[in-house]
Formats: sequence, structure tokens, C-alpha cells
Amino acid sequence: EVQLVESGGGLVQPGRSLRLSCAASGFTFDDYALYWVRQAPGKGLEWVSGISWNSGDIAYADSVKGRFTISRDNAKNSLYLQMNSLRAEDTAFYYCAKGPAAPVSNYYFDYWGQGTLVTVSS
Amino acid sequence: DIVMTQSPDSLAVSLGERATINCKSSQSVLYRYNNKNYLAWYQQKPGQPPKLLIYWASTRESGVPDRFSGSGSGTDFTLTISSLQAEDVAVYYCQQYYTTLSWTFGQGTKVEIK
Repeated sequence: EVQLVESGGGLVQPGRSLRLSCAASGFTFDDYALYWVRQAPGKGLEWVSGISWNSGDIAYADSVKGRFTISRDNAKNSLYLQMNSLRAEDTAFYYCAKGPAAPVSNYYFDYWGQGTLVTVSS
Repeated sequence: DIVMTQSPDSLAVSLGERATINCKSSQSVLYRYNNKNYLAWYQQKPGQPPKLLIYWASTRESGVPDRFSGSGSGTDFTLTISSLQAEDVAVYYCQQYYTTLSWTFGQGTKVEIK
């Protein structure tokens, strides 16, 4: 059974940093691309970032480019999102999602984690 | 970026009746070289993460009940629930994955029981 478990969320002040993690199990981790998608409370879905199986291709939404960094450790079956210079508008549930293939681009998301809440407030 | 627009924003349907959700993309998501539409549908129940229902516009994900179906091509797509069940109460999102290294979702359609 595919499992994606996010952690690292919490309350953080504007301008500070936070690192999210996603622990994966139930599939061959380094065979698949992975993504972060966020959802502000009561709002819709926004794709944040994606990374290919070997970290060779990485993409960011314009709203986070230059502030967020995605990475993965295939030896630890883990995905990360380093979030710097956080703003109030970054407040959201952050979901880790898996793609159905190794390349990051031009695929949908077939499994999602339960999410972790990031609240940016003073 | 491709903008995805869903209609309606919400709808109330009686149990056992048909529910239809529309999704329109600001440009075609049909890739002519493989004749595939790069369009997916997700279901999100209250307090839960999204769940993949349909991909390539009309391919049902394994385990998804056959009352869910997707149709359309190019810029206009439809998700149909043929006979609404109580467990189908959720918000439904369409998503395009046509654009290289960029993904966008529709704003969501809330489905309730009338």
C-alpha cells in the first residue's frame, strides 16, 4: 500500500523558515516523480513544486520560486520542501503527492499524503 | 499558464440522480502526437486529501466506481456521476498536466445532496 506521510508543519513567523518532510513507503521510491501541492484553509488546490526520480528536473510555481527548494533523498525514501522567507499567504495545508512515472512533467498525481498545516503568522 | 475554469461552483443533486461537472481550459490540452488529453479529475471529501478519479480525461483510476466517468477533448471536459450516492459528497477538481513543468487546477465544484 502506497503511503505518504508529511511532517514538519507548524506555526512560524513571517520571514522565517520551515522544512517539510514526506516519508514514503509501499512503492519503489526512486522510480517515481514527486510533488508538493498546497491548499489554503477552505480554498482550492495549488501546485507548488515537483521533482523527477533522480532530481534531474525540478519545477516551482512562480509564487514560491526563489524562496522554496524541493529535494529528495532516495536512500531514505524521503521528499523535502525547504521554505524560506515565509509569508502570510503561504499559510496552507501542504500535501506530498506521487506521480505515476519517473519523469516529473506531463503527468497527474496518483497518490496523496494526508497533509501538514503550515501557519505563517506573527 | 493554462487557466482551468469549472462550472458550476456548486450543485445539489438528489440521491440516485446524475451530477455533471464541467471544466474548461484556456487553451487545448490535447497533445496531437499521441491524441491524449492531459486532464485529470480529483475528489476531495471533507477533511481528506484529494483522490485521483480520472486521468487522460476518460481513464478511470483503479478502484473508482464505474458511476464516475470523464469525457471531452481539447478545451471542454465533463465529469459525470451517473447515480449520486451519499458517499460522493465532496469537492471535485479538474487539473491540466499538459504544460511542461507546470500544473494548474480548476477552482473546484462542491457536490451536495438535495
